Formats: sequence, C-alpha cells, structure tokens
Amino acid sequence: LAKTTQPISMDSYEGQEVNITCSHNNIATNDYITWYQQFPSQGPRFIIQGYKTKVTNEVASLFIPADRKSSTLSLPRVSLSDTAVYYCLVANYNQGGKLIFGQGTELSVKP
Amino acid sequence: EPEVTQTPSHQVTQMGQEVILRCVPISNHLYFYWYRQILGQKVEFLVSFYNNEISEKSEIFDDQFSVERPDGSNFTLKIRSTKLEDSAMYFCASSRDPSTGELFFGEGSRLTVL
Repeated sequence: LAKTTQPISMDSYEGQEVNITCSHNNIATNDYITWYQQFPSQGPRFIIQGYKTKVTNEVASLFIPADRKSSTLSLPRVSLSDTAVYYCLVANYNQGGKLIFGQGTELSVKP
Repeated sequence: EPEVTQTPSHQVTQMGQEVILRCVPISNHLYFYWYRQILGQKVEFLVSFYNNEISEKSEIFDDQFSVERPDGSNFTLKIRSTKLEDSAMYFCASSRDPSTGELFFGEGSRLTVL
C-alpha cells in the first residue's frame, strides 16, 4: 500500500475554505484515494473517494492531478463543527477492502 | 439511518482476563472489520472478515485475538488474555461494498486493562 504524507495540523477560521493536501508518491494503478474524518472518541467517518480528476459531494471536493501522486481535500466554508482529524488513505480493493490509516491532519477551526 | 452498534461502550478488566467486544454491523453488509486506536495514536487495522472467515489480519492480531460471527447479526472480537497494552478504543466497521471506500464505523468500545 502506498504511504501517505499529510500535514500534522492546520488552523482555520469559520467561513474559510480549507484545503488539505496529501502526498502519495508510490500510488499504484489500482489504488483509490479515500478521505475520512474523525471526531474525538468517535469512529472515523467516510468523506469522499476518488481515482482521478475531481470528485464532489455534499460535504467536500477531492482534487487529484493527472499523475495521482497527491490529492487535495477541499472543505468549503468550514464551521467550528468541522474541527476534527482528517485522514487521507490509499486503498487497493484487491486486498479485501482494509483501510490503513496514517497519522491524519488535525484541523482546528476557530471562531 | 442504519448504523453499526458496539457494546460495551466501556469495559474495565484485569490483566489476564478474557474480554469479548460485540458489534452489530449494518444488516445488509457482508464485510466486517475490527480496528483499534490507542489513546493519542492512529487508527490501526486488526482484521477483516468476509464469508465467515478472516480475509486479512495484521501483525497485531496474534493468537490472543479471535473473531466470530456467531449468528446472523453479531460480530465479536475476543481477547483471550488481556495485557496492559491492549488498552485502547476498539472500532468495529462494516461495508456493503468496500470498493466504494466507505466503511461504516461504530462508536467504539473503550477497553481499559488494569
């Protein structure tokens, strides 16, 4: 599985757009990029998944350049409740669907 | 909205005791997982389970650990002889189709080994 690297922490203010970038230089052809969110003392929660280009859902957008060696999770107009840890994961579904979590990015949204 | 439920929410046990953590996955899901998270650390994969057998397990999942789906609804994690370092939050997850990337996690069971 490709190793992922993302910032340990980020600060933002309410109403701002937040972009969290993850690098995965060794991503393989069959790998997908998946992002999860985790609040303290809760289980991780799926945000979005993509393979290439751009994916958007009601929560976030995911931008993946053509070389797929990085990806950027974009959270529009964050609120205090978006304070959480955000995990970038690279998953190969030929391997039973397990997800390997890294250290994640601790996002702190301030008023 | 369907959800994964876990019991107990918190269990305190003595070192060397057996512990069983229970999970009720979402009803139409066929893929099941256990993860753990030691306080302040990352979420670690333990085991995946499909079609009544283990699909994959990590190095953490040694002979002290076992999983079972005793009936059509429950999915359990047993730790035979707990150690201090087993203290962690244990998360159960389930998925209908892992290729979507979407695993549904429960709220976790906090295990404290004294």
